[in-house]
Amino acid sequence: DAGVTQSPTHLIKTRGQQVTLRCSPKSGHDTVSWYQQALGQGPQFIFQYYEEEERQRGNFPDRFSGHQFPNYSSELNVNALLLGDSALYLCASSLVMGQGANEQFFGPGTRLTVL
Amino acid sequence: AQKVTQAQTEISVVEKEDVTLDCVYETRDTTYYLFWYKQPPSGELVFLIRRNSFDEQNEISGRYSWNFQKSTSSFNFTITASQVVDSAVYFCALSLGGGNKLTFGTGTQLKVEL
Repeated sequence: DAGVTQSPTHLIKTRGQQVTLRCSPKSGHDTVSWYQQALGQGPQFIFQYYEEEERQRGNFPDRFSGHQFPNYSSELNVNALLLGDSALYLCASSLVMGQGANEQFFGPGTRLTVL
Repeated sequence: AQKVTQAQTEISVVEKEDVTLDCVYETRDTTYYLFWYKQPPSGELVFLIRRNSFDEQNEISGRYSWNFQKSTSSFNFTITASQVVDSAVYFCALSLGGGNKLTFGTGTQLKVEL
């Protein structure tokens, strides 16, 4: 049973460029959340996708956008990259069940460096 | 707004010592969920435990134990007889449910030395 997978592992971009990160959820999961983790900090919630729609969003600018596909996989897009966007981007998958908070399974992350 | 505070930035212990990682949370909601995650150097967050606000029973799992006290808004994590493999960053997190968005603390770096 494959866990959460993310690609690429590492990425180097320059300021102003655009980047797309990809995530495949754990088998059977229908919800994908994205987090940004700056060096030495805890992960910060970017947004969450369920049924191909953005359901929740954290305090991130519109430069950060996403998509969820019918197979539940997801992409995170960041436009007009800034130096401050350098971070580990984590994808987490879970099941949406009622109003509870289910365990989220995290992928290994994509390390983005903006020069 | 929710907030999670992990005041201990870094803790160093010698193997076999017991160590407690502190977590204090803030929320006005009466229903919430608390989590602990472990992040080894590889970067992947590993789920350790989930607790809901209506269950204050302490929990023990092998060398790990958790003490949840609503009166002090704390959810502390104790590792008994620490091992080198326990070296990692540990995060405490809070969720209000209904979507699973997690609010993380800044983490505690645990170093266990021989």
